[in-house]
Amino acid sequence: NAGVTQTPKFRILKIGQSMTLQCAQDMNHNYMYWYRQDPGMGLKLIYYSVGAGITDKGEVPNGYNVSRSTTEDFPLRLELAAPSQTSVYFCASSDRGSYEKLFFGSGTQLSVL
Amino acid sequence: GESVGLHLPTLSVQEGDNSIINCAYSNSASDYFIWYKQESGKGPQFIIDIRSNMDKRQGQRVTVLLNKTVKHLSLQIAATQPGDSAVYFCAEKGWRGYQKVTFGTGTKLQVIP
Repeated sequence: NAGVTQTPKFRILKIGQSMTLQCAQDMNHNYMYWYRQDPGMGLKLIYYSVGAGITDKGEVPNGYNVSRSTTEDFPLRLELAAPSQTSVYFCASSDRGSYEKLFFGSGTQLSVL
Repeated sequence: GESVGLHLPTLSVQEGDNSIINCAYSNSASDYFIWYKQESGKGPQFIIDIRSNMDKRQGQRVTVLLNKTVKHLSLQIAATQPGDSAVYFCAEKGWRGYQKVTFGTGTKLQVIP
């Protein structure tokens, strides 16, 4: 049982490039989330999903897109990367009825130069 | 709007002493208050939560206190150990159906050997 797995761990992008951050969970959780964490700050919700085929915006969705074709996977797409998207990205999941208990991946550190 | 904030950005505690990490919240409609621990280079890890109809909850070496009158939440760690060194986030979740978890900015706990 690996929990929540994120890839890659580190990535450097040039301004205007695009990339997809991968996230997979093997706990059969319905709910999945993408957060970003800027240095010395808390986590801000980018997008979340309550099940396969259903996604919704969080606090800071601009510049990102998501899809949820399966229960296990929740990739985050960055289009036209900007320096403001330099951050650490965390994927998380939670079980139905236990929404407050999030299980996090180890994060992807992204730099946009 | 909703906000979850912290009183102290950094807390230094002698090994073996008790630690108290404080948090203020502003959303009276929150249903759950949660504490997460984030070790360096890792994703946050759920520690303990408390529902809004409770004022105290105990776990293994941790106690969470909730004072709804002054909108204050605290995490007490007994007999602090070097492994407790981390950033601690308080978070809250609303009560109406599914609600997202909102994080505060974090307190760094440094344990002095």
